[in-house]
Amino acid sequence: NAGVTQTPKFQVLKTGQSMTLQCAQDMNHEYMSWYRQDPGMGLRLIHYSVGAGITDQGEVPNGYNVSRSTTEDFPLRLLSAAPSQTSVYFCASSPGYRGGTYGYTFGSGTRLTVV
Amino acid sequence: AQSVTQLDSQVPVFEEAPVELRCNYSSSVSVYLFWYVQYPNQGLQLLLKYLSGSTLVKGINGFEAEFNKSQTSFHLRKPSVHISDTAEYFCAVTLIQGAQKLVFGQGTRLTINP
Repeated sequence: NAGVTQTPKFQVLKTGQSMTLQCAQDMNHEYMSWYRQDPGMGLRLIHYSVGAGITDQGEVPNGYNVSRSTTEDFPLRLLSAAPSQTSVYFCASSPGYRGGTYGYTFGSGTRLTVV
Repeated sequence: AQSVTQLDSQVPVFEEAPVELRCNYSSSVSVYLFWYVQYPNQGLQLLLKYLSGSTLVKGINGFEAEFNKSQTSFHLRKPSVHISDTAEYFCAVTLIQGAQKLVFGQGTRLTINP
């Protein structure tokens, strides 16, 4: 089925460990982004990409790294996990600069706990 | 930069009663407006969107929203709610021109009581 696929769905990390959250879409969307969701704070943008090879920072980029080598994939890397990064992470995609007219498609989320 | 404020963090209502979830936004340029719904332990699903034209937009599951430019508001309404509408609702904006970044409000948790 077409859509945004996130893996893993759940993850527990120890402080200081690193890991990569995977995000893949099969809709040929240009625009992809990562959000984190925390209670009472809505969704906050971490990083986004407007096409392969192009990434930029969002509202809360510290401690995270991204790359976009293909249109389909947009992995999010936690370099050295901290308890403050305990959150639910969502990946989203849209069809590009006119994507606002179509809305965004969201993955089902990754629930990350850092102990 | 644009911002979104959802005026109520929690809204409890009885089944079959009407509901309004309030959303105000701030932006110096024109925006597109969205409402998303998140059911428990799920991702976000688009309810409706305002792009241009009629200020009253209809979405899925009987929801509608009205864009009011002078009051910079985009309130979500439903005339009669069901238990299945229990969820968290997010208002969001994106600029019409420039980077397509969605900016979200803090969310409103709608609880339907029988």
